[in-house]
Amino acid sequence: DAKTTQPPSMDCAEGRAANLPCNHSTISGNEYVYWYRQIHSQGPQYIIHGLKNNETNEMASLIITEDRKSSTLILPHATLRDTAVYYCIVRVAKEGNTPLVFGKGTRLSVIA
Amino acid sequence: GAVVSQHPSWVICKSGTSVKIECRSLDFQATTMFWYRQFPKQSLMLMATSNEGSKATYEQGVEKDKFLINHASLTLSTLTVTSAHPEDSSFYICSARVGLADTQYFGPGTRLTVL
Repeated sequence: DAKTTQPPSMDCAEGRAANLPCNHSTISGNEYVYWYRQIHSQGPQYIIHGLKNNETNEMASLIITEDRKSSTLILPHATLRDTAVYYCIVRVAKEGNTPLVFGKGTRLSVIA
Repeated sequence: GAVVSQHPSWVICKSGTSVKIECRSLDFQATTMFWYRQFPKQSLMLMATSNEGSKATYEQGVEKDKFLINHASLTLSTLTVTSAHPEDSSFYICSARVGLADTQYFGPGTRLTVL
């Protein structure tokens, strides 16, 4: 039972902002939204996570709608090295024995 | 962020042999580690949850006698694929959480090819 829905693929021009959407309409009040990415043949890399406020770090920004039913990951200036599969995952934080469950993600292709 | 390493990064073995994959947390202690596998063009599938000093919890459909997990210390978990067959060829990835933190960090993965 998928908790999140993401488009299977997206393209983005190099240097432009990449906006990756995620729907999580059944999210619970204590569930966080996590974003990871997986570059080909590597382990997943943590990007960012948030509960209800927008978050920003050195890699990306996370915009969560007020009703928390969807979010958008923003890579402000995409480079070719950002080509990867991006996974949006919802999970209750602070429950460390609960693993991350991966859906199919969005394959982002950054084009020169 | 925390660093998780895996060894080996790739391995090729003959059918019927056993292969051990190590997962180490390099700069933190991990009470819980997770093992995933990923087949080509598919997403990561959770295999088991490994808790230091206790038995692993396996996901439905994963044979515990075939995929032996040992988490004997707070920095090391091992996955042994016993009597490997070609259908076990996959990308195996471990993950660890830091104490009570809410972020999982992943290793670089081990590509297993069984001939």
